[in-house]
Amino acid sequence: DTAVSQTPKYLVTQMGNDKSIKCEQNLGHDTMYWYKQDSKKFLKIMFSYNNKELIINETVPNRFSPKSPDKAHLNLHINSLELGDSAVYFCASSQFHGGGELFFGEGSRLTVL
Amino acid sequence: DQQVKQNSPSLSVQEGRISILNCDYTNSMFDYFLWYKKYPAEGPTFLISISSIKDKNEDGRFTVFLNKSAKHLSLHIVPSQPGDSAVYFCAASGDTGNQFYFGTGTSLTVIP
Repeated sequence: DTAVSQTPKYLVTQMGNDKSIKCEQNLGHDTMYWYKQDSKKFLKIMFSYNNKELIINETVPNRFSPKSPDKAHLNLHINSLELGDSAVYFCASSQFHGGGELFFGEGSRLTVL
Repeated sequence: DQQVKQNSPSLSVQEGRISILNCDYTNSMFDYFLWYKKYPAEGPTFLISISSIKDKNEDGRFTVFLNKSAKHLSLHIVPSQPGDSAVYFCAASGDTGNQFYFGTGTSLTVIP
């Protein structure tokens, strides 16, 4: 049973489309995150949520909108996809906000054509 | 603005020898450091951590050393095994509320 699972694992789409990536954790953690790993392998935080509340919102285009229906889920919706959005997106969770290691999902590779 | 740097993108080591992976950081407020290991098509998995009150932490074959004055940490793997071949990410956080800053990773290849 995967601790942090995200779907889809691979996503290929055209520029201008809207797409979503879903994430679920079954660890009972309070905090969830979205990270982006770009072509230079740089793993950078995008958002973090603690108990459904937005905590960190890095400088990310507002085409990216996270949504946390409950503390076990954090979804990422992307509007009007651009070529530069192509990357691997990792969901992660930690036991609580402000401490502990991160548990990552397997990643979702998004390719925008 | 890359606050955590891993300047060696790759490293090759013979099986049984020591692997040393290095990481430098710029923010003196960082007080908690972690190493993650990543296999292809998988997410990073936690390996070992160290807080700034210590200068060494050991877990089996893995040891992390922290030099706060140099803002440098290193991961030692002894002895290296082929299954250790993976990408290793260094990460750091401080008082910014659980925001981890990652390096770009070092790809380790252990040659049998």
